[in-house]
Amino acid sequence: GQSLEQPSEVTAVEGAIVQINCTYQTSGFYGLSWYQQHDGGAPTFLSYNALDGLEETGRFSSFLSRSDSYGYLLLQELQMKDSASYFCAVPFNTNAGKSTFGDGTTLTVKP
Amino acid sequence: GAVVSQHPSWVICKSGTSVKIECRSLDFQATTMFWYRQFPKQSLMLMATSNEGSKATYEQGVEKDKFLINHASLTLSTLTVTSAHPEDSSFYICSATSGERAYNEQFFGPGTRLTVL
Repeated sequence: GQSLEQPSEVTAVEGAIVQINCTYQTSGFYGLSWYQQHDGGAPTFLSYNALDGLEETGRFSSFLSRSDSYGYLLLQELQMKDSASYFCAVPFNTNAGKSTFGDGTTLTVKP
Repeated sequence: GAVVSQHPSWVICKSGTSVKIECRSLDFQATTMFWYRQFPKQSLMLMATSNEGSKATYEQGVEKDKFLINHASLTLSTLTVTSAHPEDSSFYICSATSGERAYNEQFFGPGTRLTVL
């Protein structure tokens, strides 16, 4: 089976840096993805790591350590619009659509 | 590119009726689409994998006779909730993967909020 753990809530202020951790247990590993979901909306893809290390995309970065079965999403220069739920996900196989999602981390950005 | 639409965006129905939700890939061909269900403040739960031209594959615990999935073409999958009951009220989201990005990225539709009275 597959399971993921991430914190349920995180709060930070505008301009700050936040790290959302995700640990996983999988029978086979194909990569770790991150998705953002605003309240009432659909998830949108943020990043994907298949190999160890840091991937940077603008204000967001994602890190993976396969030996530790651990990854994180780093959000810098937080803005109010970053308030959302963030999900880590692992695919069952080589097709990312068949994925197990973590329970999500609700990020609240305060002025 | 890689836009997925869903229709309707919300629906309210009476208990016992059936509801059909459409999922379309607008600018790419999706041989495989996925249906998820999400309760408020909870994670996405994969319900089934929809393959064009063949029967859907359901996840454990999902009733295939309750949630009928049809993948009529490379751009359209439908989910029909049959004889809906209040406990079926939820947010239903479809997704699709495309070509070389199937490995790491899925594109979600905007979701359909179903309320069964």
